[in-house]
Amino acid sequence: KQEVTQIPAALSVPEGENLVLNCSFTDSAIYNLQWFRQDPGKGLTSLLLIQSSQREQTSGRLNASLDKSSGRSTLYIAASQPGDSATYLCAAPNQAGTALIFGKGTTLSVSS
Amino acid sequence: DAGVIQSPRHEVTEMGQEVTLRCKPISGHNSLFWYRQTMMRGLELLIYFNNNVPIDDSGMPEDRFSAKMPNASFSTLKIQPSEPRDSAVYFCASRAGHANEKLFFGSGTQLSVL
Repeated sequence: KQEVTQIPAALSVPEGENLVLNCSFTDSAIYNLQWFRQDPGKGLTSLLLIQSSQREQTSGRLNASLDKSSGRSTLYIAASQPGDSATYLCAAPNQAGTALIFGKGTTLSVSS
Repeated sequence: DAGVIQSPRHEVTEMGQEVTLRCKPISGHNSLFWYRQTMMRGLELLIYFNNNVPIDDSGMPEDRFSAKMPNASFSTLKIQPSEPRDSAVYFCASRAGHANEKLFFGSGTQLSVL
């Protein structure tokens, strides 16, 4: 059974810092991994999708990496801004490959 | 594209009442998912439909929960009778055919059962 864990649960940083969010998953036979952002009271927005054949995926100041062999993914945020404050969730496919299993997220607070 | 549309946005009801949550997926998406989010348990998959057919309902907590997808543009999640422990945010999400496609979420329904 796929399980997804995210560390840390919460993170506070000053504006301008580079930071790394961590995600680990138990079933490494995955075909992709996705990172999402959730603002308070809102739904989830997909940020990055990394295919199993890729090691990295970039979008603006965001870079996500995937290491299937170790069951880990990281989300790197460069030059953080107050607008980056949100909860970030990673999700990996279940064993059937039909649906996503989510971690509990890392709540990020960036102060100006 | 209007995105995934859920209604109602908020629902407050009393224990024992029937609750129906509604979802309209993105046009052309043939996979639909219902998730439940709580502080304690995070996001939990309840049920997954593909081409309007329920494929995996192993996450549905009890017989009090049921979901239907009568056509490609509409799905419902029903709780009967509702209990206070059902209080949560319920999300609907949809995806185009291939499992490597991104998942798109609605804004959710905040359910409070008193």
